Amino acid sequence: AQSVSQHNHHVILSEAASLELGCNYSYGGTVNLFWYVQYPGQHLQLLLKYFSGDPLVKGIKGFEAEFIKSKFSFNLRKPSVQWSDTAEYFCAMTYTNAGKSTFGDGTTLTVKP
Amino acid sequence: DTAVSQTPKYLVTQMGNDKSIKCEQNLGHDTMYWYKQDSKKFLKIMFSYNNKELIINETVPNRFSPKSPDKAHLNLHINSLELGDSAVYFCASSQSVYSGNTIYFGEGSWLTVV
Repeated sequence: AQSVSQHNHHVILSEAASLELGCNYSYGGTVNLFWYVQYPGQHLQLLLKYFSGDPLVKGIKGFEAEFIKSKFSFNLRKPSVQWSDTAEYFCAMTYTNAGKSTFGDGTTLTVKP
Repeated sequence: DTAVSQTPKYLVTQMGNDKSIKCEQNLGHDTMYWYKQDSKKFLKIMFSYNNKELIINETVPNRFSPKSPDKAHLNLHINSLELGDSAVYFCASSQSVYSGNTIYFGEGSWLTVV
């Protein structure tokens, strides 16, 4: 079955530290990959997405992610986090005719000021 | 203008009651969804509708009945509420589920069953 795994359940960083959140997916065909962010008490919103082309995609607020097909991975990175990046981060996958997006279990990021 | 709007935002009700959550999107999307987010923040698809037709029902109890009068609306009715139904319910939409597009979420409905 198709699935998305996020390895880090809770990450705690100090401001200015670098961030990398892991995401692996399970599907043998062509996929579309997403990272969504959910700030405390808010709804999910798109951070960045990969459909095709350059495997290094840049999103809002200085985030980027790299699609590595051979590793079935789509890790999220940011060189220097801020306190305002404290949020829940969800990796998601979909593909043509899937009928839905499959989400990972989320990673809680806490940035200490 | 809110792209995906759902009401009510907060709902506290007793076990055994019936309640509804309404959702509307003004993005012109073909596909709408209901997701459930539990206390551990896990996000699970419940239903997926494309042009008013049900295409995904992820083993949700039949106490949950979605209704889509048109492609811009997807309401969720829950019968005989149970304590375990307490969660945040997110309505969402995308241009077309068959193309694997970005999902746009509503602001959530916080349901508490006491």
